[in-house]
Amino acid sequence: DTEVTQTPKHLVMGMTNKKSLKCEQHMGHRAMYWYKQKAKKPPELMFVYSYEKLSINESVPSRFSPECPNSSLLNLHLHALQPEDSALYLCASSQDHGLAGGLRTDTQYFGPGTRLTVL
Amino acid sequence: EDQVTQSPEALRLQEGESSSLNCSYTVSGLRGLFWYRQDPGKGPEFLFTLYSAGEEKEKERLKATLTKKESFLHITAPKPEDSATYLCAVRGGGTNTGNQFYFGTGTSLTVIP
Repeated sequence: DTEVTQTPKHLVMGMTNKKSLKCEQHMGHRAMYWYKQKAKKPPELMFVYSYEKLSINESVPSRFSPECPNSSLLNLHLHALQPEDSALYLCASSQDHGLAGGLRTDTQYFGPGTRLTVL
Repeated sequence: EDQVTQSPEALRLQEGESSSLNCSYTVSGLRGLFWYRQDPGKGPEFLFTLYSAGEEKEKERLKATLTKKESFLHITAPKPEDSATYLCAVRGGGTNTGNQFYFGTGTSLTVIP
């Protein structure tokens, strides 16, 4: 089973709202990722959690706040977003992010995404 | 400079007309090359992982190959349901544990009945 689930599927929020995106995997993976994808563009990495610790933050604005409550769950808290933040937000997971597997990196499996619209 | 380039940007094929998609990469210390299929508004679906030059993997009508500079995704006798955007991603960095995970811009494939 290589399933990553994300909720909600769609989210519409105003610029003053606070909302959260959720991601879950039960594959025993120890690395989880948040990506942002605009239309007709490739996914852009936002955050990487490795063994429940934030290991990479790709200079993402503070209005996006990630949280990893345990090895199976990943949240993205949203506050005071701008219309240009509207995009498809993707969660992914992999067995490991570092060098535990030697010089071969593990495959990332993606969830179905949350379509976010900021009004 | 590390980068991943996919070509063509868009491809229209008649049903049954075989072709290949290209992913050229320049990264130091390749740690994996990944092919994904993405349908509009959905998350990328994993297809293949390749690690070493000369490696090949197959799944139904798709076959992925890898050289030291590029990867090809060969589509044999495509069907309309193969229409999607195909993304290539590369992880470089050698022994560095940083990100160095690069996506190409994708090839949009349309298969006409």
